[in-house]
Amino acid sequence: DAGVIQSPRHEVTEMGQEVTLRCKPISGHDYLFWYRQTMMRGLELLIYFNNNVPIDDSGMPEDRFSAKMPNASFSTLKIQPSEPRDSAVYFCASSFSHQPQHFGDGTRLSIL
Amino acid sequence: RKEVEQDPGPFNVPEGATVAFNCTYSNSASQSFFWYRQDCRKEPKLLMSVYSSGNEDGRFTAQLNRASQYISLLIRDSKLSDSATYLCVVNKGGGADGLTFGKGTHLIIQP
Repeated sequence: DAGVIQSPRHEVTEMGQEVTLRCKPISGHDYLFWYRQTMMRGLELLIYFNNNVPIDDSGMPEDRFSAKMPNASFSTLKIQPSEPRDSAVYFCASSFSHQPQHFGDGTRLSIL
Repeated sequence: RKEVEQDPGPFNVPEGATVAFNCTYSNSASQSFFWYRQDCRKEPKLLMSVYSSGNEDGRFTAQLNRASQYISLLIRDSKLSDSATYLCVVNKGGGADGLTFGKGTHLIIQP
């Protein structure tokens, strides 16, 4: 069975550029989560969706970050404009109902 | 107080030994508890859920103490492959579905 699929695996870009991270959840899962992981702050929940609807975006750091889920099989996380402090590993996870979450491989983002 | 607090380690343990980690959480409304394992440069993976009565999965035993708001993980007969970071995870409670992760405890099993 296919797990959570994220793309790209790695992204290196210059500050000020727009960055788009993509996620395909496990088929049939109704929850989708976006996390960010850094050495300093650990793994932080940014936003999550239930049935494609954003439920809690209180973890989104600022207006430069936005997330969408246009359908049950796709979500994006955008950063515009990007800054060096946004450098981190971004994980997408999905779950069915309140079952444990399954994580994608992550996107390693470096903003120069 | 941090929402989920863990000793970062590292714990250096000889192969075959028993090792235990604790984790404390601040939100008394949390209802779901998990241990995740994360290998270097990999994604977190569910190790086991933690139930009120305590539960065991092979060499791994998880315990929950609601009164003191802490969770423990015991690993018996440790293997080299157990070397990883172990993340304590609690749900946000109050009907919210998000999870709060501890920063993890780094375990190194030495031959």
